[in-house]
Amino acid sequence: GDSVTQMEGPVTLSEEAFLTINCTYTATGYPSLFWYVQYPGEGLQLLLKATKADDKGSNKGFEATYRKETTSFHLEKGSVQVSDSAVYFCALPLLSSNTGKLIFGQGTTLQVKP
Amino acid sequence: DVKVTQSSRYLVKRTGEKVFLECVQDMDHENMFWYRQDPGLGLRLIYFSYDVKMKEKGDIPEGYSVSREKKERFSLILESASTNQTSMYLCASSPWTGGVGQPQHFGDGTRLSIL
Repeated sequence: GDSVTQMEGPVTLSEEAFLTINCTYTATGYPSLFWYVQYPGEGLQLLLKATKADDKGSNKGFEATYRKETTSFHLEKGSVQVSDSAVYFCALPLLSSNTGKLIFGQGTTLQVKP
Repeated sequence: DVKVTQSSRYLVKRTGEKVFLECVQDMDHENMFWYRQDPGLGLRLIYFSYDVKMKEKGDIPEGYSVSREKKERFSLILESASTNQTSMYLCASSPWTGGVGQPQHFGDGTRLSIL
């Protein structure tokens, strides 16, 4: 069945370090792909999305490229800030159900130290 | 911007009480969802609804029910609250997918404690 696998956290980085959070997926068809961010005590916010192969989603300095050949959608940021400390979720829609259900990865906690 | 509003940010109830969590969205979305989030367990889908009065069980429906009488409102009901239902509850909505796949929009969550 469809699934999403994220790298396990927590990930601890110093401010201005380069960030990569890996996400790979298994899917029927060619779904859109999403990254969500959850700041402490809040709900999930859509961070970026890509709708087809080779699309690059970007927002707030974060980027992710939809790689069909490697079934991956890795999240990257060139220089992280303390304010980026949060939990990041990779997700894809379950197209077979047509009910809007999403499959989420387990989430990766990022802690950025000053 | 889509707004998904959950009625309470924090709620404390007692074991055995009937608990109602309310969620309202303002974008005329067809789909609405209830999740719970627990440390180490990620997001787990409790129930979802793809139309008024329509509902389907998610992965962990036991001990919960839902109601969707109007398109904009989706209620989660804990029939008889138990301590193992202490959790963060998240509501989300999304438009009809049309086979494309749409993102869900989330509320701020309700942190529920059952004593």
